[in-house]
Amino acid sequence: AQSVTQPDIHITVSEGASLELRCNYSYGATPYLFWYVQSPGQGLQLLLKYFSGDTLVQGIKGFEAEFKRSQSSFNLRKPSVHWSDAAEYFCAVGPNTDKLIFGTGTRLQVFP
Amino acid sequence: GAVVSQHPSRVICKSGTSVKIECRSLDFQATTMFWYRQFPKKSLMLMATSNEGSKATYEQGVEKDKFLINHASLTLSTLTVTSAHPEDSSFYICSISPDSYEQYFGPGTRLTVT
Repeated sequence: AQSVTQPDIHITVSEGASLELRCNYSYGATPYLFWYVQSPGQGLQLLLKYFSGDTLVQGIKGFEAEFKRSQSSFNLRKPSVHWSDAAEYFCAVGPNTDKLIFGTGTRLQVFP
Repeated sequence: GAVVSQHPSRVICKSGTSVKIECRSLDFQATTMFWYRQFPKKSLMLMATSNEGSKATYEQGVEKDKFLINHASLTLSTLTVTSAHPEDSSFYICSISPDSYEQYFGPGTRLTVT
């Protein structure tokens, strides 16, 4: 079955610390992979996506993610977290940009 | 990127009544719109694909008679929750994919059925 797992429900980091949010997927073919961020009162915003090519992808707001086929993972990273990064983060996979399967999300809390 | 709005942002209705949620694409013509449902602490679940001028395509397990979708124009899709019950309380989100490059999401509608 196709699925996305985000093992960490809630992560707390200090401002300025590095961040890694985990995402593992189960998918029959090479999927399209996405990371979205959801802030209260706002729609999901795309941080980055992977379709093909270089497995290390750069996104907005200083985020990056690495596709590791052997581990079925697409972890999101940021070298230095800002207080404004506090939000809910969702990993998603799909055959294209349309039929997306989302993980359950990771809530990021940032302490000053 | 595309801007998607939803109205209302929050709605409370009594059990047994129907409620309509609007999704508007403000700067793109969207022949297809998507409706998701998000439970607390849960992921977004695709409910249906709304197709302009034709019937919506529902995902397995979603009651089409309960969740009526109308996509009458290229900028507006509506989701009507009919005979709502407390278990229908949820966060409903719509999205569009105008360029097959990414989906653009609305801010969501919080439905509470009392």
